[in-house]
Amino acid sequence: GQNIDQPTEMTATEGAIVQINCTYQTSGFNGLFWYQQHAGEAPTFLSYNVLDGLEEKGRFSSFLSRSKGYSYLLLKELQMKDSASYLCAKNTDKLIFGTGTRLQVFP
Amino acid sequence: DSGVTQTPKHLITATGQRVTLRCSPRSGDLSVYWYQQSLDQGLQFLIQYYNGEERAKGNILERFSAQQFPDLHSELNLSSLELGDSALYFCASSEGDRGLAPLHFGNGTRLTVT
Repeated sequence: GQNIDQPTEMTATEGAIVQINCTYQTSGFNGLFWYQQHAGEAPTFLSYNVLDGLEEKGRFSSFLSRSKGYSYLLLKELQMKDSASYLCAKNTDKLIFGTGTRLQVFP
Repeated sequence: DSGVTQTPKHLITATGQRVTLRCSPRSGDLSVYWYQQSLDQGLQFLIQYYNGEERAKGNILERFSAQQFPDLHSELNLSSLELGDSALYFCASSEGDRGLAPLHFGNGTRLTVT
């Protein structure tokens, strides 16, 4: 199957660090995407991991362990505008999204 | 701006009706994807086209159909509409057909079935 699991909701404080985990079934895996989606808006691309390890991009980093079927998105120096849903998506022959993690950042 | 254009932005129609959603991909992108997002639900993959040909299919209902035209724009047709079809419908495009490049999403069409 394509089961992709993420926590439903998370909260954090402005300036803090938060880690959003994603687990998936490893069959047919080609890579893992992370997208950000503000309510009612289009998802926007954050990162793509194909190989194991950490990819850093400014305040956002993404990690992948293919053998464990595990990824996380790390957000540093949180800002209020980071309040959004974060979608983990597994690339097989099509892109399958998890239900997303709704992150609320409080002052 | 992702470069992907979806029309209309909003659509309100009655049960049993048929509607057509339109998508123009980003310049140079050959793949078009359609996704459905219901309230508080994740993005559900419907169908993918690459350069005019159907490439992958998700949980798309038989009442729904899509096509990609020679100019690469795509249309999603929804017929015999039911209340449960109310959702945000997103179109996305990418360069290739294997999903190795990021998808660029349009702003969506919000369909309300009454």
